[in-house]
Amino acid sequence: NAGVTQTPKFQVLKTGQSMTLQCAQDMNHEYMSWYRQDPGMGLRLIHYSVGAGITDQGEVPNGYNVSRSTTEDFPLRLLSAAPSQTSVYFCASSYGGLRSSYNEQFFGPGTRLTVL
Amino acid sequence: GQQVMQIPQYQHVQEGEDFTTYCNSSTTLSNIQWYKQRPGGHPVFLIQLVKSGEVKKQKRLTFQFGEAKKNSSLHITATQTTDVGTYFCAGRRVGSQGNLIFGKGTKLSVKP
Repeated sequence: NAGVTQTPKFQVLKTGQSMTLQCAQDMNHEYMSWYRQDPGMGLRLIHYSVGAGITDQGEVPNGYNVSRSTTEDFPLRLLSAAPSQTSVYFCASSYGGLRSSYNEQFFGPGTRLTVL
Repeated sequence: GQQVMQIPQYQHVQEGEDFTTYCNSSTTLSNIQWYKQRPGGHPVFLIQLVKSGEVKKQKRLTFQFGEAKKNSSLHITATQTTDVGTYFCAGRRVGSQGNLIFGKGTKLSVKP
């Protein structure tokens, strides 16, 4: 199994550009999520999904869109990039749903995004 | 909103010294997880604690969950250079939708 994969690994954007960060998992996990990691801020939840066709907002959703058309894929779209979105983005998945008592999260390798 | 506070933010130790990081929640947690992130890497799951007062050990690492299920700690005995990284706790609030709330992490550096 490849686990959780993310592309690209690095990306530089200009303010106002849009792009999609890709995330895929091959573990048949129900739950998938996107986090951003900024220095001193830990991991903050952007959006999450409890299954195909179901998504919801996390702690910091503004400026981002997601969709979940399949179990495997959970892309994150930046609509109009801003310098404040410079960050490291991690996608994660877990077997258990939100009410599962055991839901270890498997993280992808991350995408390092710089917005100029 | 709920916060999960983690202290200290940084810890520098000499190799062989012990290390502890603490995690405190403003509300009762249904469980708590711990993750390790090596420099330049991604968070990797270490353990989950569910029961009040639970203690689990992984070699030199000891994890505790408080009796009130509002706090937790990770203790590393006799640190090694391989322990370098940032340790995060992540809690799930009782009765919540279930999303994890991550602490800001403790960055551990070990001087050989």
